[in-house]
Amino acid sequence: KAGVTQTPRYLIKTRGQQVTLSCSPISGHRSVSWYQQTPGQGLQFLFEYFSETQRNKGNFPGRFSGRQFSNSRSEMNVSTLELGDSALYLCASSEQGYSYEQYFGPGTRLTVT
Amino acid sequence: AQTVTQSQPEMSVQEAETVTLSCTYDTSESDYYLFWYKQPPSRQMILVIRQEAYKQQNATENRFSVNFQKAAKSFSLKISDSQLGDAAMYFCAYYHGNAGNMLTFGGGTRLMVKP
Repeated sequence: KAGVTQTPRYLIKTRGQQVTLSCSPISGHRSVSWYQQTPGQGLQFLFEYFSETQRNKGNFPGRFSGRQFSNSRSEMNVSTLELGDSALYLCASSEQGYSYEQYFGPGTRLTVT
Repeated sequence: AQTVTQSQPEMSVQEAETVTLSCTYDTSESDYYLFWYKQPPSRQMILVIRQEAYKQQNATENRFSVNFQKAAKSFSLKISDSQLGDAAMYFCAYYHGNAGNMLTFGGGTRLMVKP
């Protein structure tokens, strides 16, 4: 099976713009989780989707949102970008609703200027 | 809330030597999972080893082994016969399942391997 894919791999945006990142899970996986990785804050959980429903959300402002489609692909959106949103955004997929087996994608590096 | 702490921001080891990375965590749960993930410069998170809290036996995967002390809430990773390819960021992570598939990560330890 193909692994988790994330597009784009690199992105440069200007402060105030919005951005959409995409994550395609492993075939058959129904859960997608998103994480933000920064040098200062480390890896922080953003949100998780399972069967098109958001089940859990981390402590992030409302500018961060996401959704999941019927084919389990997920997108996350950040509106009104700030310099502090520059980060590596990782997604992970799981087959089951409650599973410690999670598979990570290669990440999207977002730079906000 | 669960927290995971890695007190060593950086570690260095000579090639072929052994190194131990430390991790402590805080939880009120009795059944959970702990992990060590490796993140090389390519940024891909790779699962190194997993420990189920209900198992007393420490997990081992080839050159990687853990020392799991449940009462002390300590979970260290030992890398034996270190290789240049082991150089990476290492993250300790916790999973319980009461919050879907969310993983809680420590701050990471950068491991450097000297030839």
